Amino acid sequence: DAGVIQSPRHEVTEMGQEVTLRCKPISGHDYLFWYRQTMMRGLELLIYFNNNVPIDDSGMPEDRFSAKMPNASFSTLKIQPSEPRDSAVYFCASSLTGLVNYGYTFGSGTRLTVV
Amino acid sequence: GEDVEQSLFLSVREGDSSVINCTYTDSSSTYLYWYKQEPGAGLQLLTYIFSNMDMKQDQRLTVLLNKKDKHLSLRIADTQTGDSAIYFCAEGDSGGYQKVTFGTGTKLQVIP
Repeated sequence: DAGVIQSPRHEVTEMGQEVTLRCKPISGHDYLFWYRQTMMRGLELLIYFNNNVPIDDSGMPEDRFSAKMPNASFSTLKIQPSEPRDSAVYFCASSLTGLVNYGYTFGSGTRLTVV
Repeated sequence: GEDVEQSLFLSVREGDSSVINCTYTDSSSTYLYWYKQEPGAGLQLLTYIFSNMDMKQDQRLTVLLNKKDKHLSLRIADTQTGDSAIYFCAEGDSGGYQKVTFGTGTKLQVIP
C-alpha cells in the first residue's frame, strides 16, 4: 500500500479564495482523521470519520471549514473563504479498528499558505 | 479530559543518549506511542508499548512506562544526526473509536 496520500503538497492562495485539500486513506482503514499543525497550537484534531460518517467535528474552527468523505477511499477538507490565519500544515491520517497498537498512519501533509 | 505533556526542546551531542519524557493523565490508556516527525513530513509511528508493560526495547530505542506516575520516556542510544526530529508522545485506548491523544512534541536537536 502506498500509505495515506494527500494532495496537493503545497498550496498558496489569496485570502478569500476557496481551498480544497484531498486525502486518500489506506485501503481497508475505517477511520479517517484531519489534523492541523501550527507552531503556536501544535497538532489539533479537526474532525474524524468512521466508515465515511463524520463522528466528531468539534475541532473544526469555524463554519468556513467543512469536510466530506463521499466514499471509503477519499476525503476532502474545504476552507471557504480562506484567511491568512488558516496558514498551517494539514494532515490526514487513517487507522483500522482492532489494530490500536498500530496507531494512526499519517500522510505527508499539505502546507497551506494564505496571503 | 486527556492531556499529554512534553518538554518542547532537547539538545544532545552525537553519540550520546537522548531521553525524551512525557506525562499523561488518562489512566485508562491502553497503548502509549512514540511518533517521529522529520522536517516536511508527517508523523511516523516509531514504537508503542502496551499499558501492562514496563519496558520495551527495539534496537536503539528503549521505552519506559511508569503507569503509577503516568510517565513515559523514550531513550535513544547512540544518538545520530538523523535522529533530529520532533518526537510526539501519544496515548490511546481500545475503547470507543480508539482515540489517540497527542502531546505537544519535543524537538530533538543532535549536535555533530
